[in-house]
Amino acid sequence: EDQVTQSPEALRLQEGESSSLNCSYTVSGLRGLFWYRQDPGKGPEFLFTLYSAGEEKEKERLKATLTKKESFLHITAPKPEDSATYLCAVQGGGGADGLTFGKGTHLIIQP
Amino acid sequence: KAGVTQTPRYLIKTRGQQVTLSCSPISGHRSVSWYQQTPGQGLQFLFEYFSETQRNKGNFPGRFSGRQFSNSRSEMNVSTLELGDSALYLCASGTSVNTGELFFGEGSRLTVL
Repeated sequence: EDQVTQSPEALRLQEGESSSLNCSYTVSGLRGLFWYRQDPGKGPEFLFTLYSAGEEKEKERLKATLTKKESFLHITAPKPEDSATYLCAVQGGGGADGLTFGKGTHLIIQP
Repeated sequence: KAGVTQTPRYLIKTRGQQVTLSCSPISGHRSVSWYQQTPGQGLQFLFEYFSETQRNKGNFPGRFSGRQFSNSRSEMNVSTLELGDSALYLCASGTSVNTGELFFGEGSRLTVL
């Protein structure tokens, strides 16, 4: 059974204070690891797909990296508008069970 | 380009009733997936439809069902509602079956009393 654990559950940062969110996973045959952002009252918004260890993707202040057991979402010099819940999900080799999501990291950026 | 549209946005039902939720995917997207989101369990996969056929199914009881129409619009139905079915039900569309790059709607929030 695929499993995803995200840490920390919540993180409060000052504007401009860089940090990283962690996503640990166990999956049989990783087909893809996905990062989403979810704002209150909204559905998740797709950010990145990572397929293999060593891969990195960047978008504005966010950079996602992948190893064989975990992924990190690095946030550089965050702004208040980066406040959201960040969700990590994996898709296993069979692909028949949809995405397995972690419970997310609730990020608050204080001005 | 219009996003994924879900209706209704909010609804309240009582135990034992049934409910039908509707989802219109992004134009051109033929894959529609449904997820249940609760504070305790997070997001859990219900099922995926592509070209009117259920392609994948999560670990939910048979009370949860769905269908997809020829225009790719989808509905999900929950029969004999239980208190534990209270959740945000999210629909997501994609360009291909089994894709992990999903475009989510804002969800239908179901409260069961």
